[in-house]
Amino acid sequence: DAGVTQSPTHLIKTRGQQVTLRCSPKSGHDTVSWYQQALGQGPQFIFQYYEEEERQRGNFPDRFSGHQFPNYSSELNVNALLLGDSALYLCASSLGGIQETQYFGPGTRLLVL
Amino acid sequence: EDQVTQSPEALRLQEGESSSLNCSYTVSGLRGLFWYRQDPGKGPEFLFTLYSAGEEKEKERLKATLTKKESFLHITAPKPEDSATYLCAVRANNLFFGTGTRLTVIP
Repeated sequence: DAGVTQSPTHLIKTRGQQVTLRCSPKSGHDTVSWYQQALGQGPQFIFQYYEEEERQRGNFPDRFSGHQFPNYSSELNVNALLLGDSALYLCASSLGGIQETQYFGPGTRLLVL
Repeated sequence: EDQVTQSPEALRLQEGESSSLNCSYTVSGLRGLFWYRQDPGKGPEFLFTLYSAGEEKEKERLKATLTKKESFLHITAPKPEDSATYLCAVRANNLFFGTGTRLTVIP
C-alpha cells in the first residue's frame, strides 16, 4: 500500500522565483493538506483541499496557492519567494471527514537563496 | 486562540529509563488530539489519536493518555531507536501542532 509521496525531495530557488511542489495521497484518501515546517518548529497548516476545492486555509499570504486534481493529487505553488519561505513542506492525506487522521509524506526541503 | 505547549523541549534518557512527555492544550471544540513521531529531515509518522478525556492508547513501548487539558506520552523502557522528536497536535478547525519534544535515548 503506497503511502504519501512528494516531489521533489529537495529544491533550491532564488528570491522572487516561483516554485511548484507535488503530492500524491495515500491510496484511498481524497483529502490533501499542506504544511510548512521551519527548522525546530512544528508544522504550520497552509491549506486543505477536498473535492478539488480549497476547504480550509491557515494564516498564509496569497502567494501560497494550490490545486487538487481529479485523481486527488495536489500541487502547492509559492510565488515571489522570500528567504523566509525556506522550510520543509509537508503534504498529508486523509479520508473525507475532518476528524480523520492525517498521514504525512516525506516532505520537500526548499531552500531560498 | 488555539495553543499547544509541549514539555520538556528536549529529554535525554538512558536506555531502559522510563519517562513521560507532556502536551498541554487550549482549543475551542477539540476534535481530536494526535501524537506523531518525526525523525530528522523526514515527515511525521502517525502514532495515536485520542478523542475524549480518559482515553488511552498503547503501541509497543508507548502509551498515550488524555485529560481535558493535557495529554501524556509515556515511554516505558526506551531503546535508542526511540530517539526522535515527538509532536503533539490538536484538531479544532484544522490541525495545530506544538513544537515537539526532542528525545534522545542513550545506550
